[in-house]
Amino acid sequence: SQKIEQNSEALNIQEGKTATLTCNYTNYSPAYLQWYRQDPGRGPVFLLLIRENEKEKRKERLKVTFDTTLKQSLFHITASQPADSATYLCALGYRAGNNRKLIWGLGTSLAVNP
Amino acid sequence: KAGVTQTPRYLIKTRGQQVTLSCSPISGHRSVSWYQQTPGQGLQFLFEYFSETQRNKGNFPGRFSGRQFSNSRSEMNVSTLELGDSALYLCASSLVGSGYTFGSGTRLTVV
Repeated sequence: SQKIEQNSEALNIQEGKTATLTCNYTNYSPAYLQWYRQDPGRGPVFLLLIRENEKEKRKERLKVTFDTTLKQSLFHITASQPADSATYLCALGYRAGNNRKLIWGLGTSLAVNP
Repeated sequence: KAGVTQTPRYLIKTRGQQVTLSCSPISGHRSVSWYQQTPGQGLQFLFEYFSETQRNKGNFPGRFSGRQFSNSRSEMNVSTLELGDSALYLCASSLVGSGYTFGSGTRLTVV
């Protein structure tokens, strides 16, 4: 069956450490993968997009990797801060016949402790 | 530039009623997508509009419908509301090949 999974358990880390979040998928033909941040009661905020032919993407303290062999994306926040505390969602864009579709993970909650 | 605007922010309706939610995308964005978000199911795709045409549709019953106007503003309608329709409804606009910009959502409570 087709599915996309993120760690359901909340991630608690100390300020200044690197947070690493995982997004795994099965049985999709991926085109790209996106990462979003969502705060309670708000809409998701787009962070990074990485395409199937890209291995790594960086933006300031954020880094995303995409391994289509392992069917996995890793999302890293370096030098984490309490303000980074939020839920992080991954979304996989995949090919379905002649269409492109998007499927979302349920998100991983990150808490950065001062 | 202004972000994606959704109205209203909060709504309480009774079972059996209908509701219309509105979304104004970022200027220049012609693609508008609608999602339902609940704690257990996450983000569930409802439909996508592009230049007034529905381009994709999710697996929701026919009670859920939408449309897009020539100025790219979009509305979604839910008829015969059920308790299970209580959720955060999110609208997102995008340019081709880029990430989505979401609105703050409409929190719908059906009682």
